[in-house]
Order: sequence, then C-alpha cells, then structure tokens
Amino acid sequence: DAKTTQPPSMDCAEGRAANLPCNHSTISGNEYVYWYRQIHSQGPQYIIHGLKNNETNEMASLIITEDRKSSTLILPHATLRDTAVYYCIVRVEGGADGLTFGKGTHLIIQP
Amino acid sequence: GAVVSQHPSRVICKSGTSVKIECRSLDFQATTMFWYRQFPKQSLMLMATSNEGSKATYEQGVEKDKFLINHASLTLSTLTVTSAHPEDSSFYICSAREPRGISGNTIYFGEGSWLTVV
Repeated sequence: DAKTTQPPSMDCAEGRAANLPCNHSTISGNEYVYWYRQIHSQGPQYIIHGLKNNETNEMASLIITEDRKSSTLILPHATLRDTAVYYCIVRVEGGADGLTFGKGTHLIIQP
Repeated sequence: GAVVSQHPSRVICKSGTSVKIECRSLDFQATTMFWYRQFPKQSLMLMATSNEGSKATYEQGVEKDKFLINHASLTLSTLTVTSAHPEDSSFYICSAREPRGISGNTIYFGEGSWLTVV
C-alpha cells in the first residue's frame, strides 16, 4: 500500500469546519483513499473512502485532488466529540491485506 | 456501517495464564478478520490475518504459538494469548472485511479489548 503523510496535530474551533490534509503522492491507479478515526480508548471508526471523485456522507466530505496525490477530509461542523486521531490510508478496494496505520493527525476541537 | 463486536472489553489475568478474546461480525459474514495490537500513544500494529477455515497468517515478529487465532465460522474469530506476561498488556483490536456491498469490502473495527496481565 502507498504511504501517506499527515500533520501530527491540528486544532479547530467547535462549530467550524475541520479540514484534515493527507498527502499520498505515490498512490497507484487502483488504490482508494480511506479515512478512519480513533477516539481515545476505542477501536477505529470508518469515516469515508473514495477513488477520484469527491465523496460525501453523513459524517464528512472527502476532496481528492485531480492528480490524486493528496486529499482533504472535511468535518463540516466540528463538535467536541470529533476530537480523535484521524488516519488517512490508501489501499486497493477489496484488497486481502489488513490496513497499515501511520501516526495520523490528532485533531483537537476547542470549545 | 457494519458492526463488529469484541468481548471482553477489559480483562485482567494473572501472569502465566491464558486469555481469550472474541471478535464477532454482527450483521455480515466475514471471510477475513484481522487482529491488531496497540500500545499506549502508539499506532495500531497488525498482528495477523485470520481467514475462515484456514490457518492465520502472522506478521513478522508475532509469535504464532503465543497468539493463537481461530476463525471457525464466518462471524467469529478468537485470539487467545497463551502464557500471558505483563509485557503482553495492551489494547487488542479486531477488524473484519465486509464482503462486496454498498461500502465495497470496507474494513470495520471492533471496540477493542484492554488486556492487563498482573
């Protein structure tokens, strides 16, 4: 799986949009971008994934650049409960291997 | 999303004993499940891949005789930590890959199990 690079930490004010960047410059054509988050002392939670088109669900939006070398996860109205470590992972959809986790971004929502 | 459940959420055992952790996919059949370990302030590390009806595949450095994995059905995988020692104390997390569906083979995680060996 291709490697990703994320900032180690970010702050965001409650109620504002949180924009989390991820670089994946070596992504292959058949690799998707997945986002998970891990709230303290819990298992990771799936958020969203995409290939090349922007995606949106009830939790977040995913914006992938045209060259697919980077992406941004957007939490439109961050709440205190969104404080977590966010992981950006690239993998082949349906790949047999488990996910490889980097260090992620520790997002802290400030009241 | 799909639901994966682990049990127990917390367990304390004496050094030298064995402890079993269960991982269940509640609303889908999972031919493949994965086991991870996470030490404090570190990221998740993949321990092994469990395939239903066959032997698990272990990552380099993970002792297969110490961490026994059984995936006897499409909804249940178990991890048994044998002859546990204090250094095995950690947060153990399972995950399961959903078959092709709306979310396309997405991997979902359980809540995790805290193991403390005293």
